[in-house]
Amino acid sequence: DIQMTQSPSSLFASVGDRVTITCRASQGIADYLAWYQQKPGEVPKLLIHAASTLHSGVPSRFSGSGSGTDFTLTISSLQPEDVATYYCQKYNDAPPTFGPGTKVDIK
Amino acid sequence: EVQLVESGGVAVEPGGSLRLSCAAYGFSFDDYTMHWVRQAPGKGLEWVSLITRDGGATVYADSVKGRFTISRDNNKNSLYLQMHGLRTEDTALYYCAKVVSPNIDYYMDVWGKGTTVTVSS
Repeated sequence: DIQMTQSPSSLFASVGDRVTITCRASQGIADYLAWYQQKPGEVPKLLIHAASTLHSGVPSRFSGSGSGTDFTLTISSLQPEDVATYYCQKYNDAPPTFGPGTKVDIK
Repeated sequence: EVQLVESGGVAVEPGGSLRLSCAAYGFSFDDYTMHWVRQAPGKGLEWVSLITRDGGATVYADSVKGRFTISRDNNKNSLYLQMHGLRTEDTALYYCAKVVSPNIDYYMDVWGKGTTVTVSS
């Protein structure tokens, strides 16, 4: 099965900072990648699918890029409400494995 | 309103069995592939299983294969997860989730609040 890794595992950034999270697949998955946000005590929320397509209602400060094995999630200007753990998920085939998560907090 | 409501999570001893349910509201349940995803306390998301809209295909994570069975009753708008041979490592919050659209099988846009399974002696 394809394994997913994320880096960093956690980060602290200031409000207004540009934040980048990396997700890597052990084999190529084209652009079959989704990103989810899970705020503390809440259920996961879909942010992005097809590596770069923003899900309905997601703020435009979120963006995704990448293809093949390397992907990034970028928050262009970090806001306090973005404090959360972010997960990537590959879905080129089953199992649709999640990455281990990146926890984002405010400095 | 589109909503998923899980139930059935309780504390059980290792080796025990449990059946989780997920009731679906506000959408055409039989049009969508459905998933179970779990999250151990303080840990990340772990995909568990999926079932296609007509129940014709099911897939399981290696960690639960042979012990868990996913099923659905489209007449009752309900999803199920039958769990046997429970282990302490199965302790988690279990979410059911629907996929984004009828022609998508794998990524999910609506999640329930989850039901907690605790496996302990």
